[in-house]
Amino acid sequence: NAGVTQTPKFQVLKTGQSMTLQCAQDMNHEYMSWYRQDPGMGLRLIHYSVGAGITDQGEVPNGYNVSRSTTEDFPLRLLSAAPSQTSVYFCASSYSPSRTEKLFFGSGTQLSVL
Amino acid sequence: DQQVKQNSPSLSVQEGRISILNCDYTNSMFDYFLWYKKYPAEGPTFLISISSIKDKNEDGRFTVFLNKSAKHLSLHIVPSQPGDSAVYFCAASSSPQGGSEKLVFGKGTKLTVNP
Repeated sequence: NAGVTQTPKFQVLKTGQSMTLQCAQDMNHEYMSWYRQDPGMGLRLIHYSVGAGITDQGEVPNGYNVSRSTTEDFPLRLLSAAPSQTSVYFCASSYSPSRTEKLFFGSGTQLSVL
Repeated sequence: DQQVKQNSPSLSVQEGRISILNCDYTNSMFDYFLWYKKYPAEGPTFLISISSIKDKNEDGRFTVFLNKSAKHLSLHIVPSQPGDSAVYFCAASSSPQGGSEKLVFGKGTKLTVNP
């Protein structure tokens, strides 16, 4: 059972480039989300989705787009990469959006923007 | 304004001893708390949770204590094992503010258990 799969694990971009971070889960989870983790900071929510076709902004959405065309996939798009987007990105999912549901995290994508 | 504070960036304990990780919060509306553990190069994994209707929750070697009046919770690991070495995140949410999207995470405490 794969759980939450993120690709790539590492990525280096130049300022202004765009890219998509992939996230897929095979647990039929309704809720999916993207977090970023920066040194000395907690996890901060970028975007989330409570089901296919439904997305919403989190705490730090600027510079990122998401879509949820299927239950399984929730890609995160960086439109025009900036050095401030250098971070570790985690995708997470849960059975439902309920706050008491535990989140299952992917292994992360380490992104560097030069 | 940091609503969930883990004031100790790191903690080092000897194998077999107790590890106590602390978490303070400022929002009195928080009523559900979770701890996640994170190993290097991996994503966080759920460890244990507690609702504000309880003041203690146990799961094997892990116990979480909640002191609502002090707005403080702590995670106790007894006995500590080298495999417990990881970063521990405290997270909190409040019922009126929605679902998992309203979860607030602390900055984490890096626990090192020395053999």
